[in-house]
Amino acid sequence: DQQVKQNSPSLSVQEGRISILNCDYTNSMFDYFLWYKKYPAEGPTFLISISSIKDKNEDGRFTVFLNKSAKHLSLHIVPSQPGDSAVYFCAASAGAGGTSYGKLTFGQGTILTVHP
Amino acid sequence: DAGVTQSPTHLIKTRGQHVTLRCSPISGHKSVSWYQQVLGQGPQFIFQYYEKEERGRGNFPDRFSARQFPNYSSELNVNALLLGDSALYLCASSLVYKGLAGEYTGELFFGEGSRLTVL
Repeated sequence: DQQVKQNSPSLSVQEGRISILNCDYTNSMFDYFLWYKKYPAEGPTFLISISSIKDKNEDGRFTVFLNKSAKHLSLHIVPSQPGDSAVYFCAASAGAGGTSYGKLTFGQGTILTVHP
Repeated sequence: DAGVTQSPTHLIKTRGQHVTLRCSPISGHKSVSWYQQVLGQGPQFIFQYYEKEERGRGNFPDRFSARQFPNYSSELNVNALLLGDSALYLCASSLVYKGLAGEYTGELFFGEGSRLTVL
């Protein structure tokens, strides 16, 4: 049972344009959501997070939107840069507003390619 | 500052063998989690340790075990290896905060992983 789903295996955008990565979840107990970026031969790197008490969180070029009623979140990258090309993972946790002692449920990942 | 370090980075084993993977967390981080990432999938939670106690366990067989040492480093052990155990094993560390509702962890910081191939 895939509780966190990223239905787009890949996304290709032009440099300078907006990248929108989507994520859906089924477990209503999830209350903390994170996005990670992963380059080949490296571990995932934390990008941005959002608590279920918010519907938007912004950090520089990265913005995460949360729609609790639709159980959907999205990551917007504006403007996209070639260095943003990586695999992006959506992750969720349940309990106390944090990562529930490090237990995250990850999506399958979306490969983002930003063309110069 | 040193990040999360894992060893070995790559290893090859044969079916039935045993493997031990090691992880050193970021200084000051007392929580360590282990994840398995099979090619083409997202990381899957195996274990979490905090203050040397197991705080969470994912849906993995008893062949998988782990422990945390007084210096907060951790080992993941896998017995009777199967071909399906071939994966990238990721270790992550995090801070633990005390809130009104109890303790909670912040974002996870991952190491580069140990790539295990079982032949």
